[in-house]
Amino acid sequence: DQQVKQNSPSLSVQEGRISILNCDYTNSMFDYFLWYKKYPAEGPTFLISISSIKDKNEDGRFTVFLNKSAKHLSLHIVPSQPGDSAVYFCAASFRGGSEKLVFGKGTKLTVNP
Amino acid sequence: ETGVTQSPTHLIKTRGQQVTLRCSSQSGHNTVSWYQQALGQGPQFIFQYYREEENGRGNFPPRFSGLQFPNYSSELNVNALELDDSALYLCASSFKQGWSYEQYFGPGTRLTVT
Repeated sequence: DQQVKQNSPSLSVQEGRISILNCDYTNSMFDYFLWYKKYPAEGPTFLISISSIKDKNEDGRFTVFLNKSAKHLSLHIVPSQPGDSAVYFCAASFRGGSEKLVFGKGTKLTVNP
Repeated sequence: ETGVTQSPTHLIKTRGQQVTLRCSSQSGHNTVSWYQQALGQGPQFIFQYYREEENGRGNFPPRFSGLQFPNYSSELNVNALELDDSALYLCASSFKQGWSYEQYFGPGTRLTVT
């Protein structure tokens, strides 16, 4: 029973364009959502998070949108840079970022120069 | 400020053996969580320790056990290793007081069971 789903295993975009990574969840009790980025041979790096009381959170080039009615969130990266090439994981929790995280399977983003 | 560190980096064990993985939390953090990441999958929650007490456990058998020490470092122990235990084991630390904050991950330990 996969409660957090990232249906696109991979995404390829041109440098300077927008990257949009999508994530769906099934458990309406999740109240906190996070995106992590992972390079090979490194642990996941926290990128950005959003509480269920908000529908948007921005941090520089990264924006996360949350649509609670659709149980859907997305990460927008604008503009995309080659250094953004990595695997991106969507994660959800019940009581904040320190609690048990339920991860999706990840989306591999490739940004081409 | 030192980040989360894990040791060893890589480990090869034989089925049936026991293994201990170690994690040092980021300075100032009081919570540590362990995750297992199989190839092609997202990390799966094993358990969490908060102030030296287990504070939640995922769907893993009792042969997975852990400890958190007074300095908030942690160990993950796995007994009777099985081939399916081959994975990347990730430790994450965070600070929790009232609200709980984001987890910061170490680089992981790659365990291979043959």
